Amino acid sequence: GNSVTQMEGPVTLSEEAFLTINCTYTATGYPSLFWYVQYPGEGLQLLLKATKADDKGSNKGFEATYRKETTSFHLEKGSVQVSDSAVYFCALRTNAGKSTFGDGTTLTVKP
Amino acid sequence: GAGVSQSPRYKVAKRGQDVALRCDPISGHVSLFWYQQALGQGPEFLTYFQNEAQLDKSGLPSDRFFAERPEGSVSTLKIQRTQQEDSAVYLCASMVVGAEAFFGQGTRLTVV
Repeated sequence: GNSVTQMEGPVTLSEEAFLTINCTYTATGYPSLFWYVQYPGEGLQLLLKATKADDKGSNKGFEATYRKETTSFHLEKGSVQVSDSAVYFCALRTNAGKSTFGDGTTLTVKP
Repeated sequence: GAGVSQSPRYKVAKRGQDVALRCDPISGHVSLFWYQQALGQGPEFLTYFQNEAQLDKSGLPSDRFFAERPEGSVSTLKIQRTQQEDSAVYLCASMVVGAEAFFGQGTRLTVV
């Protein structure tokens, strides 16, 4: 079956530090890949996505590249802010629309 | 409405009680999904509707769980004879086929 493994947290960084959250996946076929963010007290929000190999998704300074050869979709940001503190989920989605999520990585950014 | 709406936001149930959780999807969204998110984990798929048809219910953990979407819009997830292991956040998502999925804020169920 499909599965997503993401870097365990929590991750604590100082403001303006570089962020990487690793994500690898196992899937049959050619899934689309997503990063979702969940701010405290709020629902899941789509952060970025990539639908095919070598695509790069980007939003709000975050980036992730769909790497088929390493089955990875690592999330990066060059300079984090306190407002980026949240839980980040990596996910894959098959053509049917059903999504498989990782367990989430909690990021805390300190001023 | 502007987004996916779920109610209630919080529900405390005594063990053995039946509960019903409601999801109002975005108008016009054909696909609707239910997920269960245990504390500290990612959402786990429960079931999927396309319009009123339940096309996949492979994630429902037991026959105590039942979902319906009779008119292809509002959906209800029902849990009978709740157990402590049912305590979780239940998320609903809706989408147009092939596009982005939008999630509701979830219903936090606590079984005591």
